[in-house]
Amino acid sequence: AAGVIQSPRHLIKEKRETATLKCYPIPRHDTVYWYQQGPGQDPQFLISFYEKMQSDKGSIPDRFSAQQFSDYHSELNMSSLELGDSALYFCASSPRSMADTQYFGPGTRLTVL
Amino acid sequence: QKEVEQDPGPLSVPEGAIVSLNCTYSNSAFQYFMWYRQYSRKGPELLMYTYSSGNKEDGRFTAQVDKSSKYISLFIRDSQPSDSATYLCAMSAVRGGSYQLTFGKGTKLSVIP
Repeated sequence: AAGVIQSPRHLIKEKRETATLKCYPIPRHDTVYWYQQGPGQDPQFLISFYEKMQSDKGSIPDRFSAQQFSDYHSELNMSSLELGDSALYFCASSPRSMADTQYFGPGTRLTVL
Repeated sequence: QKEVEQDPGPLSVPEGAIVSLNCTYSNSAFQYFMWYRQYSRKGPELLMYTYSSGNKEDGRFTAQVDKSSKYISLFIRDSQPSDSATYLCAMSAVRGGSYQLTFGKGTKLSVIP
């Protein structure tokens, strides 16, 4: 079965650079969630989209922005990167018919040097 | 105090043992309860999902929810070395049409052959 696709899988950036993470949800899933998981931590909710509109916002820094496109893929844009942004970034998707069930992608490991 | 509390372990059991993993929560608005399994450097994998008090069984896994006590459990029967992973409880409440997940810290389980 198709799963959530995230790219790139690994990303290394310098401080103050920008990064763009991409998420391709499972086909026919119209809702996307972004989570950040620091080393040894549980995933923390960042932001979610339903039908290309932002539906909820969590602990996402103002330096980060995200959007969902017409094909339902989503991008998380991160600017002025800081060392503390180093983490695993997960995207999860769900269908509206089972909106309470989220399927996670493999994650993007971001390292800020 | 975190909304979701989970003993991080680590928990080490012999192959074939019954494993019991638990979480408590404080937010009465949580309606949906999930268990995810996460292997090292991988995305969380949905194991069990339930929204009502009581038991739900799927193969070797049983999820138990007690809303009155704000307590959820996951039981693994006949544990296998391949069950060695971190187990995350997660729960959600609807907010603006979004079902953002709040996770426990995760319990690291090792099943010894």
